[in-house]
Amino acid sequence: GAGVSQSPSNKVTEKGKDVELRCDPISGHTALYWYRQRLGQGLEFLIYFQGNSAPDKSGLPSDRFSAERTGESVSTLTIQRTQQEDSAVYLCASSLPWTSGGEETQYFGPGTRLLVL
Amino acid sequence: KNQVEQSPQSLIILEGKNCTLQCNYTVSPFSNLRWYKQDTGRGPVSLTIMTFSENTKSNGRYTATLDADTKQSSLHITASQLSDSASYICVVATNAGKSTFGDGTTLTVKP
Repeated sequence: GAGVSQSPSNKVTEKGKDVELRCDPISGHTALYWYRQRLGQGLEFLIYFQGNSAPDKSGLPSDRFSAERTGESVSTLTIQRTQQEDSAVYLCASSLPWTSGGEETQYFGPGTRLLVL
Repeated sequence: KNQVEQSPQSLIILEGKNCTLQCNYTVSPFSNLRWYKQDTGRGPVSLTIMTFSENTKSNGRYTATLDADTKQSSLHITASQLSDSASYICVVATNAGKSTFGDGTTLTVKP
């Protein structure tokens, strides 16, 4: 595809349920990021994948959150036992690999809007 | 269509010099504009947040301006340091909480 795609675009779930969010990065982009954005708030970094390196999970808010990535393609963000505080937009972004010059741009997907009732 | 356009796409400057990054937007209804700094391999960190009534805000050597009439913002960095090398992302939000992101400007500060 031409850009980063995410699915579903919207998700409403009941508290305590698990949800799985999907991100399809731009082909050839080895770097993939997940962010969370609560209503009226800024971006919150969640996790970063770069090629075959160990992911940077430093932004995951709790052990209920996990993410996987298959090679350099699709990634899934899983939230277990969802809480109302998890309601937010979850954004995925991809980019070319970081270089010494740092001349890459992150391309964000449209996001998944998660509402936990 | 809500859009945020940043320029230049990339910029290389010498340490100690000043620079200005631009952000033009067509987001409506406007709520706030944020500048983020993103270091290599890390998530973006918020630098400034400005609402409609604010036209300038500083955070150390970073000064952001906002002209809500022309829908333009700038981020000025004074006395640049090597640690300023990063991507700077302009994000504009509506009052419904929907954010539109700029592609960012990649700044490289060289010694």
